[in-house]
Amino acid sequence: GAGVSQSPSNKVTEKGKDVELRCDPISGHTALYWYRQSLGQGLEFLIYFQGNSAPDKSGLPSDRFSAERTGGSVSTLTIQRTQQEDSAVYLCASSAAGTPGPYEQYFGPGTRLTVT
Amino acid sequence: AQSVAQPEDQVNVAEGNPLTVKCTYSVSGNPYLFWYVQYPNRGLQFLLKYITGDNLVKGSYGFEAEFNKSQTSFHLKKPSALVSDSALYFCAVRANNNDMRFGAGTRLTVKP
Repeated sequence: GAGVSQSPSNKVTEKGKDVELRCDPISGHTALYWYRQSLGQGLEFLIYFQGNSAPDKSGLPSDRFSAERTGGSVSTLTIQRTQQEDSAVYLCASSAAGTPGPYEQYFGPGTRLTVT
Repeated sequence: AQSVAQPEDQVNVAEGNPLTVKCTYSVSGNPYLFWYVQYPNRGLQFLLKYITGDNLVKGSYGFEAEFNKSQTSFHLKKPSALVSDSALYFCAVRANNNDMRFGAGTRLTVKP
């Protein structure tokens, strides 16, 4: 079946502009995660959605970052007034949830964001 | 909150030799532990997980990992490394709240 998809695959933007990154999770997966990965580095947790529960936003680095998930499916990560330090690969992952669990995450290919 | 430590940024082994990539964790409650691999210019792929039961977990591509509760470790192992195993490896832990945290990653290089 279809995996996690993300769009765009690459995004180059000027400093100060807003960007929107999209994630389409695997159908039926109720859990959705956003991570940020700088070049060759580890994964930095950003935000986590689980069903209709309030999202865990504890990883968002500043108030310029926000995310929403509409209808329990597609998610959009928005970065306002982008800065050069926002340049990274943004990864989305989804997983099933509930029992027996826990379930592994399936990752999308990522969006490479470059802020010039 | 849960956390994971991968003490080695880089591991180098010769092809055919056994490999170990280390991971230690900290979590309240029962730990659920995962290993993922990221090949160059590819997305992260699931390798294996520990939930409960047998401390030795077998996964994809001949990898296995041993859960050690007393040492709070979950080291990834393979008896005989291949050049194609060269990649970035991530350990992750999930606590009961279903939130997942990843380690910083370990770059494995297998030399012919």
